[in-house]
Amino acid sequence: DAKTTQPNSMESNEEEPVHLPCNHSTISGTDYIHWYRQLPSQGPEYVIHGLTSNVNNRMASLAIAEDRKSSTLILHRATLRDAAVYYCILWGNAGNMLTFGGGTRLMVKP
Amino acid sequence: DVKVTQSSRYLVKRTGEKVFLECVQDMDHENMFWYRQDPGLGLRLIYFSYDVKMKEKGDIPEGYSVSREKKERFSLILESASTNQTSMYLCASSLVAGRPSGANVLTFGAGSRLTVL
Repeated sequence: DAKTTQPNSMESNEEEPVHLPCNHSTISGTDYIHWYRQLPSQGPEYVIHGLTSNVNNRMASLAIAEDRKSSTLILHRATLRDAAVYYCILWGNAGNMLTFGGGTRLMVKP
Repeated sequence: DVKVTQSSRYLVKRTGEKVFLECVQDMDHENMFWYRQDPGLGLRLIYFSYDVKMKEKGDIPEGYSVSREKKERFSLILESASTNQTSMYLCASSLVAGRPSGANVLTFGAGSRLTVL
């Protein structure tokens, strides 16, 4: 499976938008882009996923670059409860050997 | 909502003991996964199963085995626990149902923190 690159950490102010970047330059045509987040002392939880088009749901938006080599998770108004580690992973049709890297630790300041 | 339930949140075992970590999902998901999570190493896949009695090795299967006798239950077995298996273990499942793998969503359990003394 192709790998992803994310910044180790980011900071945001409460109630401001947050843009979390992910680079995946070796993405293949059938790879879906997934985002999960892990709150302290919990298992990861699904946030959003997409293939080619931008996606919106109640938690976040996913903006996918036209060449699909990068994507951005957008939290429209960060809250203190959004402080977590955010993982960007690629999931292709080749199977289920999903690789979770270190993710981005998001800190939200009041 | 799909629930993935891991039987124990915290376990303490001794070196050489046989350890069973149980995971149950309640939504008829086809795929089930076991990961371990260590500081600085992210989540690493140990084993996954795509059907009853079927299993595939992940990135770090050494020292582990798995069992999937029923669709809803996926067990991780440490035949002889060692201190380097002290870790957080996470179970996950995904539906499949004829869709491309990536079109599915992973649902994780809360995790089982194992300490081997």
